[in-house]
Amino acid sequence: GAVVSQHPSWVICKSGTSVKIECRSLDFQATTMFWYRQFPKQSLMLMATSNEGSKATYEQGVEKDKFLINHASLTLSTLTVTSAHPEDSSFYICSAQGVGPYEQYFGPGTRLTVT
Amino acid sequence: ILNVEQSPQSLHVQEGDSTNFTCSFPSSNFYALHWYRWETAKSPEALFVMTLNGDEKKKGRISATLNTKEGYSYLYIKGSQPEDSATYLCALLEFQGAQKLVFGQGTRLTINP
Repeated sequence: GAVVSQHPSWVICKSGTSVKIECRSLDFQATTMFWYRQFPKQSLMLMATSNEGSKATYEQGVEKDKFLINHASLTLSTLTVTSAHPEDSSFYICSAQGVGPYEQYFGPGTRLTVT
Repeated sequence: ILNVEQSPQSLHVQEGDSTNFTCSFPSSNFYALHWYRWETAKSPEALFVMTLNGDEKKKGRISATLNTKEGYSYLYIKGSQPEDSATYLCALLEFQGAQKLVFGQGTRLTINP
């Protein structure tokens, strides 16, 4: 149980285009999902917390107009990187909060390359 | 800003040997510490959630200890096997209005057959 999927697993896009990444909890409902980013040789950094039916909460330094998050259902959150630039190239990974107070289940991540 | 440090960054161990690595974190306002195992192209897999000072948890050949007063946790692997090769992440749970995990950089473990 507690499986989280992410789609796509990798994507290459041109500078200036937008890319949408989906995060789904497959066998449980998640009112809260999290989006992380990892640059090479660095740790996973929380970008934003996504709550079903309400606006996401962004971490300091993360541009909310650039990284649009939608959590329209209890099993799906999406991250859209708008007007992507090469510096947005990174590994993006989501997690979903489980039933227990400390549970977070992760997806396998999405590698984004902006050319 | 919380700083979670893991050491070493990478480790090569001979199959059958035991090993351990460290996660250090600020000792104030502690809620919980997570350990994850992350294999390439897969989702990070939760190993342990540790909440109490002195906690000791075990899962097969892997165990972990927690010292919240001095701010560290150790992960031990006994009798390493090739399938133990992965990156091991620790993450400190903090509450700033909402739950937030702060990750270390990970320890990349390679088991040599």
